[in-house]
Amino acid sequence: KQEVTQIPAALSVPEGENLVLNCSFTDSAIYNLQWFRQDPGKGLTSLLLIQSSQREQTSGRLNASLDKSSGRSTLYIAASQPGDSATYLCAVKSGGTSYGKLTFGQGTILTVHP
Amino acid sequence: DGGITQSPKYLFRKEGQNVTLSCEQNLNHDAMYWYRQDPGQGLRLIYYSQIVNDFQKGDIAEGYSVSREKKESFPLTVTSAQKNPTAFYLCASSATGYRYEQYFGPGTRLTVT
Repeated sequence: KQEVTQIPAALSVPEGENLVLNCSFTDSAIYNLQWFRQDPGKGLTSLLLIQSSQREQTSGRLNASLDKSSGRSTLYIAASQPGDSATYLCAVKSGGTSYGKLTFGQGTILTVHP
Repeated sequence: DGGITQSPKYLFRKEGQNVTLSCEQNLNHDAMYWYRQDPGQGLRLIYYSQIVNDFQKGDIAEGYSVSREKKESFPLTVTSAQKNPTAFYLCASSATGYRYEQYFGPGTRLTVT
C-alpha cells in the first residue's frame, strides 16, 4: 500500500528566504507525482506535475525534483513571499485503479511573514 | 472559462438526512473523482468514474453513492448510513490515462448535527 509522508508538517520563514518542502513515498512504482497548493477553506490548485521518467519540473519560482528510486520529491520555492503562505500537498499516482490512483500526503503548512 | 464548480459551498444537515453535493466540469474530462478531507488525515478517495454510466468505489465508499449520467456531472449523495459525514468534500477531474494531472473544484463543507 502506497504511503506518502511530508516533512515538515509546518514551516514559518521570513519573506525572501529560499525554502524546501519534502515528500517521501514508500512504493517507487509510480506513474507521476503532483504538487498542489491549498489555501484555507479552498480547493487544491495544481502547481507542478512530474512524470516518473522526469527528474524535475519548473514553474516560475517553483522547482520540483523527483528521485523515484529513493522515493523522494522536493519542492523548492525561491524568494518566498507572504502570498506563498498556504498548505502544500504532494500526491503520487500509482496502481489501484485502471489508470492509477492518487495518494496524498498530509501537507506542509507554510507561513511566510513580512 | 474552463473549470470545476461545486455547490453549495456550505451545507448544513440534520443527522439521518441524505444530502447531495453537486460537481460540474466543462474541461471535457472523461474521469471524475470525489475525495473527502478531514483535519490531519489528508485526502481520501470516495468514488471515481472514468466514463459516463460507469463508476467505481474508492477507499472509503461506505455510506456514499454517486451517479454519472452526463460527462459533465458527477453528483455525490451522502446517505444517513455514513457514520461521520461532517467533512470537506472535493471533486476533481482529469483526462483518462496515467499521465494526466487532476484538477480540483473549490469544495463543499458539509456539517451534520
